[in-house]
Amino acid sequence: DQQVKQNSPSLSVQEGRISILNCDYTNSMFDYFLWYKKYPAEGPTFLISISSIKDKNEDGRFTVFLNKSAKHLSLHIVPSQPGDSAVYFCAASAMTQKLVFGQGTRLTINP
Amino acid sequence: EAQVTQNPRYLITVTGKKLTVTCSQNMNHEYMSWYRQDPGLGLRQIYYSMNVEVTDKGDVPEGYKVSRKEKRNFPLILESPSPNQTSLYFCASSQGASNQPQHFGDGTRLSIL
Repeated sequence: DQQVKQNSPSLSVQEGRISILNCDYTNSMFDYFLWYKKYPAEGPTFLISISSIKDKNEDGRFTVFLNKSAKHLSLHIVPSQPGDSAVYFCAASAMTQKLVFGQGTRLTINP
Repeated sequence: EAQVTQNPRYLITVTGKKLTVTCSQNMNHEYMSWYRQDPGLGLRQIYYSMNVEVTDKGDVPEGYKVSRKEKRNFPLILESPSPNQTSLYFCASSQGASNQPQHFGDGTRLSIL
């Protein structure tokens, strides 16, 4: 049972445009959500997070939106840059113990 | 430099031969965790540890063991590896709990023949 789902395995975006990565979850007990970015041959690196008491969190070019009623979160990258090409994982935590990841979305930024 | 170090980075071995993947962090983090990454399945948590001598199962613990005798080390043990444990493994640590940003190692690619 996949509690966190990223339904788009890949996404291609033009440099300078907005990239929107989506994530859906099923467990209403999740209270914290994180996005990680992964380059080949490296471990994931933390990007941005949001608590369930908020609906938006912004850090530079990265913004995460949370829609609790729809059990949906999204990561917006504006403007997209070639260095943003990577695999992005969303993750969710319930009561600070387990962390559940989605399947990942491969983002490619085209020049 | 703050880091999580996994060894080995690559290993090819045979079914049934016990192996240990070591993980060490130098950030004095309480929380440590092991994940496996498989195509189409993302990262799945195997075991996690909230502190020394405190470990708990993640979503896919079958066939694995862990121990947390010291704060900095969290080895992953495969007592009798099988081909379905062929995967890319990541160790991670964080200050506090799982909702804090985790620092990941660079991964260990295991092939069980």
